[in-house]
Amino acid sequence: DAKTTQPNSMESNEEEPVHLPCNHSTISGTDYIHWYRQLPSQGPEYVIHGLTSNVNNRMASLAIAEDRKSSTLILHRATLRDAAVYYCIRWGSQGNLIFGKGTKLSVKP
Amino acid sequence: DTEVTQTPKHLVMGMTNKKSLKCEQHMGHRAMYWYKQKAKKPPELMFVYSYEKLSINESVPSRFSPECPNSSLLNLHLHALQPEDSALYLCASSVYPGNYNLPLHFGNGTRLTVT
Repeated sequence: DAKTTQPNSMESNEEEPVHLPCNHSTISGTDYIHWYRQLPSQGPEYVIHGLTSNVNNRMASLAIAEDRKSSTLILHRATLRDAAVYYCIRWGSQGNLIFGKGTKLSVKP
Repeated sequence: DTEVTQTPKHLVMGMTNKKSLKCEQHMGHRAMYWYKQKAKKPPELMFVYSYEKLSINESVPSRFSPECPNSSLLNLHLHALQPEDSALYLCASSVYPGNYNLPLHFGNGTRLTVT
């Protein structure tokens, strides 16, 4: 199964860090972990991706467990503009980028 | 702003109409994708084009007909649609097919309503 498991929803306060978890217990050694987010009325937007090591970019950080069965997307200081649905996706041997249900993040002022 | 441009943004069509959705990218990407997204659901893959050739058809009904005239352009031709086909249709591109170490770039979609 190419799907990942994420909480349906999470809530955060503005200016605070947010940790979005994802389980991918059946991931293969060559599958990358991608994160996308979708703001209302927009297409999905690439956030970050990684294979084994933790990754940082201007938008977020990605922490990948040593056994690669789980990962966490970290938004260091949530803003109201970060309210979106966040999708964690395995992409590799199965060929296509298949979306799971995602986590709806709400940010309170 | 997105580098993948989809037109029109909104489309209303009757069940007997023929219409087309258009997607354009000028990033030199050689893989292009159509996804369908129903309200409050994740995007579902429909078609994948690799180097202008159809490589994946996820058992999509024939009333949806994709076309890739060149490496920058992707069309989705619609004919005899049903009201349940109403959805957001998303186009995406990536640098090379099967390169999982690079992201997909999505457009903002065409919101289709079938009456």
